[in-house]
Amino acid sequence: QKEVEQNSGPLSVPEGAIASLNCTYSDRVSQSFFWYRQYSGKSPELIMSIYSNGDKEDGRFTAQLNKASQYVSLLIRDSQPSDSATYLCASLRGTGYKLSFGAGTTVTVRA
Amino acid sequence: GAGVSQTPSNKVTEKGKYVELRCDPISGHTALYWYRQSLGQGPEFLIYFQGTGAADDSGLPNDRFFAVRPEGSVSTLKIQRTERGDSAVYLCASSSGTVGETQYFGPGTRLLVL
Repeated sequence: QKEVEQNSGPLSVPEGAIASLNCTYSDRVSQSFFWYRQYSGKSPELIMSIYSNGDKEDGRFTAQLNKASQYVSLLIRDSQPSDSATYLCASLRGTGYKLSFGAGTTVTVRA
Repeated sequence: GAGVSQTPSNKVTEKGKYVELRCDPISGHTALYWYRQSLGQGPEFLIYFQGTGAADDSGLPNDRFFAVRPEGSVSTLKIQRTERGDSAVYLCASSSGTVGETQYFGPGTRLLVL
């Protein structure tokens, strides 16, 4: 079992809709969670980090963390064509430094 | 300020050759990481430096891979006797060194072994 699993996608949503991305992790010691966006042929770019249970909002992005269920999600509201990318979920142990990534979910926003 | 930079951006080599990939981290970042990303996969950890020393090299696939960071800034990933399976994007990241701190990625080096 991979340490971080993401819904496989690809995910296609119309412009203006909500894109919902899900991620589960197997290591209960994980404390920090990150969502990176990766455009085709480019490097990962951090869009959200979350450390505590609950929701964290930043503009059109909302990250949700449930440590009891070992579940992290990312919602993209009012999706734009520029949001079309692969979204990578990553976890980090409390005393660690080694990011564990999921395989990514590719999102396409249809104009 | 300047982000993480990596050179070359692309490298094509022949099976059996030696390659060096360079990473220049964000100024002041003491922690440096190398990851490898294969097509359709997320990045996989290779090695972590804190200062000049390799604190964890458990992700290096075998002894053909080696990395150095002699002055605690620039790092070089070295691959000997390259194999076709080494073809991937090699990503470098850096962070301030505080546990749990965000890692910032460079643009990567796309290595193709023919």
